[in-house]
Amino acid sequence: EVQLVESGGGLVQPGGSLRLSCAASGFTFNNYSMNWVRQAPGRGLEWVSKISSGSDDTFYADSVKGRFTISRDNAQNSLYLQMTSLRDGDTAFYYCARGRLTARRHDAFDVWGQGTVVAVYS
Amino acid sequence: QLVLTQSPSASASLGASVKLTCTLSSGHSRYPIAWYQQQPDKGPRYLMKVNRDGSHTMGDGIPDRFSGSSSGAERYLIISSLQSEDEGDYYCQTWGTDIPAVFGGGTQLTVL
Repeated sequence: EVQLVESGGGLVQPGGSLRLSCAASGFTFNNYSMNWVRQAPGRGLEWVSKISSGSDDTFYADSVKGRFTISRDNAQNSLYLQMTSLRDGDTAFYYCARGRLTARRHDAFDVWGQGTVVAVYS
Repeated sequence: QLVLTQSPSASASLGASVKLTCTLSSGHSRYPIAWYQQQPDKGPRYLMKVNRDGSHTMGDGIPDRFSGSSSGAERYLIISSLQSEDEGDYYCQTWGTDIPAVFGGGTQLTVL
């Protein structure tokens, strides 16, 4: 079964740091680009970051650029998101999502995890 | 600027059909989009990709009650024979050469 399981969320104070993990199973992880998408309470989906299959390319939303770092370990079938200088506006459910296998640079996200919650409070 | 516009809400009766609309911003009418379903307290689920010509690629295990189509800058998600479990939020998403992902604001579907 194709599966993504996020972990690492929690409560953190403004200015703090947190590292999210996403464990992948049921598919050849190193063939796929991976993404992080977040959803603030009662709000819609917001794309956060993307990493290519071999970690050659990384992309970030303007709202997190310079504060968040995406990475992956293909040997461990794992995706990560290092979050620093956290703000109230970063409070959200964070989902990891698999990019569709495609020759195009970007495409849809065909597998999603159940999410992990990050709450930034003072 | 690449923007997707969705109506905030929609409703239809059990067993009926509903058509949700996602509109691409000016100058982007040729872009493909993807549809996602998010049931209450769950993560999003990929439904399909809809191309500018209306052709669509379904996600794994998605019932054939779900289909997609296209007209100009509009992309549609059609759900027939509505069931109670179809209630939830529906998001469209697109992407560009240098833009990994943009989401629409979502449509909350109520099954009456």
